[in-house]
Formats: sequence, structure tokens, C-alpha cells
Amino acid sequence: DIVMTQTPLSLSVTPGQPASISCKSSQSLLYSDGKTYLYWYLQKPGQSPQLLIYEVSNRLSGVPDRFSGSGSGTDFTLKISRVEAEDVGVYYCMQSIERWTFGQGTKVEIK
Amino acid sequence: QITLKESGPTLVKPTQTLTLTCTFSGFSLSTSGVGVGWIRQPPGKALEWLALIYWNDDKRYSPSLKNRVTITKDTSKNQVVLTMTNMDPVDTATYYCAHRNILTLMNFDYWGQGTLVTVSS
Repeated sequence: DIVMTQTPLSLSVTPGQPASISCKSSQSLLYSDGKTYLYWYLQKPGQSPQLLIYEVSNRLSGVPDRFSGSGSGTDFTLKISRVEAEDVGVYYCMQSIERWTFGQGTKVEIK
Repeated sequence: QITLKESGPTLVKPTQTLTLTCTFSGFSLSTSGVGVGWIRQPPGKALEWLALIYWNDDKRYSPSLKNRVTITKDTSKNQVVLTMTNMDPVDTATYYCAHRNILTLMNFDYWGQGTLVTVSS
């Protein structure tokens, strides 16, 4: 199985400041079709996970542009340019090149 | 509008078989490219994918649970059923179903609210 490793596991951020989450996969997520199957989800407290970003860097419709995804191969990053109170929750990366596996999650809280 | 909702027992005893139903609307599992998956989350822990079924009845299972899990669909009822045998307290979790569409490359873009299943004698 492909292992997804996120760092850090928790993050305390002052509102308006940036935040960054790293996700590393145990093997490349670049498929033969040229696409990279890396996704980012946010699970707000008490809610189901919601898809934020697909294929590394594409924001789902309605996701604020303060969220951005980048990376390639096995190394990926989710960045929040200016954290807002509504961004608190646990962020998960997920791969789907070989079945589906999630990272351990990164808990983001407000200072 | 796509919605999914999980239903089933909230409490099962060790060694029993769990049967969960995902009832959905806003899409059809007879449409090419569409799939429904099951994901679980033990209290305070990370998400774990369990199984997925496609419109063409292609099924995928987590290797770690393959011998215990079965996924089926009833297209006419807009339902997907997950059965898990030999339940253990470590299987206590919130179980979610979620929509996938191969053609749009959307993985789990819609989720149900989840259902908490506790395994205890």
C-alpha cells in the first residue's frame, strides 16, 4: 500500500498568518496519463470531510483562493495564505493512484 | 444536488456481522464512471478507505480488510450496501459513504453525514 505521511500533525496559527502542510507519499503519484492523483480534504469539527483540492492544485468550486496546492511526484504541500477562523479542522491528503489512502491528518487551530 | 446518507445499527457485538446501507440521490449508479465508496474513521483517528463499487459492478477492497468486507449495489433503489464480518471493538468508528466519478476525476467529492458504529458486548 502507498503510505501518505503528513507533517506537522498539528498547527496553531494566528489569524491572518500563513500555514503550510506537507504530504509525502511512499511512491510517485504521477500516473501514465500525465495526471497526479493527490487530493486535499478538510474535516471541520463535527462534520464530514470536504474536498478542497484535486489533482494537486485544482481548487473545487467555491473553495477560497487563499487555499493552494502544489507539488509533484511524492512531495506535496497545501498552503493557506491567510488563515481565517473558519479554516480550523483537520486536513487530510489522499492518493488515488493505487486504491485510496489518506494521510494521518493535520489539525489546524487558531491561536 | 447530490446527497448520501448512511444507515445501520449503532451497536454491534463482537463477532457479529455489520450491514450498512448508503442511500443516495442526485446521481445514478448506472451512469458510466460513477462509483460509491466507504470510508471509516475511528474516534479521534484518521480516515481509512474500505471499499468502492463502480457503475459496472467493478469492486475494489482495502487489502487489509478484503476477507471481511463485501460491497454491493442496488441501482433501482439508489443504494450501496457494505457488510463487514467478524466485528471487533477496534472496528468502532464513524462509517461514511462517498461519491466518486472517474470521468471528472472527482474522488469523494460528496460525503454522507456518517454513522457511528460501536462494537461492544
